[in-house]
Amino acid sequence: DTGVSQNPRHKITKRGQNVTFRCDPISEHNRLYWYRQTLGQGPEFLTYFQNEAQLEKSRLLSDRFSAERPKGSFSTLEIQRTEQGDSAMYLCASSLVPGQFSGNTIYFGEGSWLTVV
Amino acid sequence: GENVEQHPSTLSVQEGDSAVIKCTYSDSASNYFPWYKQELGKRPQLIIDIRSNVGEKKDQRIAVTLNKTAKHFSLHITETQPEDSAVYFCAASTNYGGATNKLIFGTGTLLAVQP
Repeated sequence: DTGVSQNPRHKITKRGQNVTFRCDPISEHNRLYWYRQTLGQGPEFLTYFQNEAQLEKSRLLSDRFSAERPKGSFSTLEIQRTEQGDSAMYLCASSLVPGQFSGNTIYFGEGSWLTVV
Repeated sequence: GENVEQHPSTLSVQEGDSAVIKCTYSDSASNYFPWYKQELGKRPQLIIDIRSNVGEKKDQRIAVTLNKTAKHFSLHITETQPEDSAVYFCAASTNYGGATNKLIFGTGTLLAVQP
């Protein structure tokens, strides 16, 4: 499967613990996005990277959240001191910026479900 | 910032009927409008998209229309089938030089196709 891969798929953690999610984008995709989705809502933008550069972070993203993409390939999203309100599905997506206007699709992974108890 | 509103939140149709989902966006700079289908517990999957330089696009039973003046775009599904049952999300984004920036999603429409 050459799609966007996310791990772990499910995580249950106690409030106050730290969690980390990993995303492996589609090979050669240089843009990588993180979204959060709660039940009954559309995906909510968190942040995105082009190669290893983090280009934008949502103002909704608290300082407990940090994302990295150190080598421009896989990315990690860490949540420190988790709160019950962090329970959601964390979606990763990737796309290819081709260098000329030809349009590029954003492909999503299956998501990582986080439950904070 | 950009805001996308989507209606209706739920839609029930009989198999074979048509379904229409409507979205409005607030940022006049938006020029890329994809539609995603999400089945329960699955990833959102792109089903069709439209760019601001066209007013309509069709792919078999699915079509999307765009009214830039009114900032409206709509998804039309004809001859609905039970497997069309899912949550559908519209989204808006700016896309310059082939670089799709962040997608802003609507709140979703739960489509139920009754056999």
